[in-house]
Amino acid sequence: DIQMTQTPSSMPASLGERVTISCRASQGISNYLNWYQQKPDGTIKPLIYYTSNLQSGVPSRFSGSGSGTDYSLTISSLEPEDFAMYYCQQYDSSPLTFGSGTKLEIK
Amino acid sequence: EVQLQESGPGLVKPSQSLSLTCSVTGYSITSNYWGWIRKFPGNKMEWMGYINYSGSTSYNPSLKSRISITRDTSKNQFFLQLNSVTTEDTATYYCARYYYYSSSLNWFAYWGQGTLVTVSS
Repeated sequence: DIQMTQTPSSMPASLGERVTISCRASQGISNYLNWYQQKPDGTIKPLIYYTSNLQSGVPSRFSGSGSGTDYSLTISSLEPEDFAMYYCQQYDSSPLTFGSGTKLEIK
Repeated sequence: EVQLQESGPGLVKPSQSLSLTCSVTGYSITSNYWGWIRKFPGNKMEWMGYINYSGSTSYNPSLKSRISITRDTSKNQFFLQLNSVTTEDTATYYCARYYYYSSSLNWFAYWGQGTLVTVSS
């Protein structure tokens, strides 16, 4: 199985701050990497697919990048609704695997 | 809009079977892929498996001997059965529509709200 190491596990941040969450795969995954957001009420929605493509309706302050084994999600200027859990997920090979999650908290 | 809703017992005894239903509205389960994912206490997420438009299934090898995903197209529902559960199967279980456009473009597009299942005697 491809292991996805996501860092940090939690991140205190302020409104308006720029933050970056990292995801490292145990082997190259050819950009086959998605990002999801889970709100405190449990709702999960997709944010980014295929490393850098924004899902419809996702604000442009979200962006994704990376290649090989290293990927990242960046939020350019935090809004109140962005404080949530974030997960990466690889689909290069089965079984599909997720990162361990990053909790974005208000500082 | 696609909506998914999980239902089933919130408490299961060790060694018994866990059975959940995902009811789908707004989209036919005879199209695309439909999966189960679980989130453990402590936030780890695990893909369990999926059933596709034709009824074919794929499972996480870590569960292969215990899991079964089936469907009822007349009710637009699909189901999860996990046998011989232990306390380590305590988790929030999510059903999701897996959008499969191509081998390079696929993701979990719509998720249910999740249902907590506790395994305890």
